[in-house]
Amino acid sequence: DIQMTQSPSNLSASVGDRVTITCRASQSISWWLAWYQQKPGKAPKLLIYKASSLESGVPSRFSGSGSGTEFTLTISSLQPDDVATYYCQHYYSYFLIFGGGTKVEIK
Amino acid sequence: QVQLVESGGGVVQPGMSLRLSCAASGFIFSSYGMHWVRQAPGKGLEWVAVIWYDGDSQYYADAVKGRFTISRDNSKNTLYLQMNSLRAEDTAVYYCARRDDYDSRVDIWGQGTMVSVSS
Repeated sequence: DIQMTQSPSNLSASVGDRVTITCRASQSISWWLAWYQQKPGKAPKLLIYKASSLESGVPSRFSGSGSGTEFTLTISSLQPDDVATYYCQHYYSYFLIFGGGTKVEIK
Repeated sequence: QVQLVESGGGVVQPGMSLRLSCAASGFIFSSYGMHWVRQAPGKGLEWVAVIWYDGDSQYYADAVKGRFTISRDNSKNTLYLQMNSLRAEDTAVYYCARRDDYDSRVDIWGQGTMVSVSS
């Protein structure tokens, strides 16, 4: 079974900082990876799909890269509204596999 | 606008049943596959089940296989999750989510409905 591992689990950074979150797959998943943002008490929101495609309406400070087994989500300039937990997700065929999440806070 | 609204959550005892509903609006429901995803309190996201746009195929996570049934009524723009033999570990917020069948991405989520299984 494919497993998705995110790092770090928690991240604290200052407003304006560049933030990078990593997601590793236990085997190659090509580019079938999405990133979600979830704020407390809210549903997840799709940010990135196919590893690097920005979902419509998502600010351009969010970007994704990678393929195969290693992927990154980058926030180019952290904003207060970006405080949330971020999840990577492998999707293809019928199932979904999520990473454990990265909680991002403002320092 | 495109919207998914879940309902049917509540507090039940172990071993009992519950049926969740997800009402879709703002898009052609019958053209999209649909997922159920859950999130236990303070935990991460866990995939539960998926159903194809026409209802012909359904797949389940091992944790719910044989106990949960996903179904849909395209004439009513509604997705269902029948949950039987509920266990304490099924306690979670349950989200329905739309699967874009063109590229498989999961793009629209409902607000979730809470299910608590406790004696």
